Amino acid sequence: EPEVTQTPSHQVTQMGQEVILRCVPISNHLYFYWYRQILGQKVEFLVSFYNNEISEKSEIFDDQFSVERPDGSNFTLKIRSTKLEDSAMYFCASSKTSGRATDTQYFGPGTRLTVL
Amino acid sequence: GNSVTQMEGPVTLSEEAFLTINCTYTATGYPSLFWYVQYPGEGLQLLLKATKADDKGSNKGFEATYRKETTSFHLEKGSVQVSDSAVYFCALREFEGGSEKLVFGKGTKLTVNP
Repeated sequence: EPEVTQTPSHQVTQMGQEVILRCVPISNHLYFYWYRQILGQKVEFLVSFYNNEISEKSEIFDDQFSVERPDGSNFTLKIRSTKLEDSAMYFCASSKTSGRATDTQYFGPGTRLTVL
Repeated sequence: GNSVTQMEGPVTLSEEAFLTINCTYTATGYPSLFWYVQYPGEGLQLLLKATKADDKGSNKGFEATYRKETTSFHLEKGSVQVSDSAVYFCALREFEGGSEKLVFGKGTKLTVNP
């Protein structure tokens, strides 16, 4: 069964460093998402992406964040200058369609980001 | 804005006990509703969903019915197993301005003891 994959599973970085989190969505999906989950808190929406453009972004997704689909398979989340409060589990998700009641987002296993 | 409220955990049960995890939502319209499960060390997996009022989603012995009168989507299972130990998230699908996102509850941790 096709699945969303994410690398790395765990990333440790120093405050102020740039990190890139990578995702490979399900191959025939067109809509891509990033969510994050700070330890013990809710899963929060960060950004959605379609047709090489951001569709929607949350207040969390400030100028330090960017997303890109550099080729036909990868979908990346970049944090330019990490802060301690960026430490969280980051989930990538994808869906085949959008705007239908039957839409389902499929999630990857997550990347745990630790900022020291 | 839209929101999801789940019962606070953690929940600890013995094997074969009955499980209910309450979930209520606040939303404009009638969004699709989901339960996702996160097993230890893993990502979010779709457990079940319902797309309209009175729909019942079911999977792996779990069930949830979309109740618009009470704006609820409670998760139930008649007889839990140790392998059901996980964190369960209720979510609604918000669709505005041509884009969609999921709005999650805080999650409820379930531990099932043998």
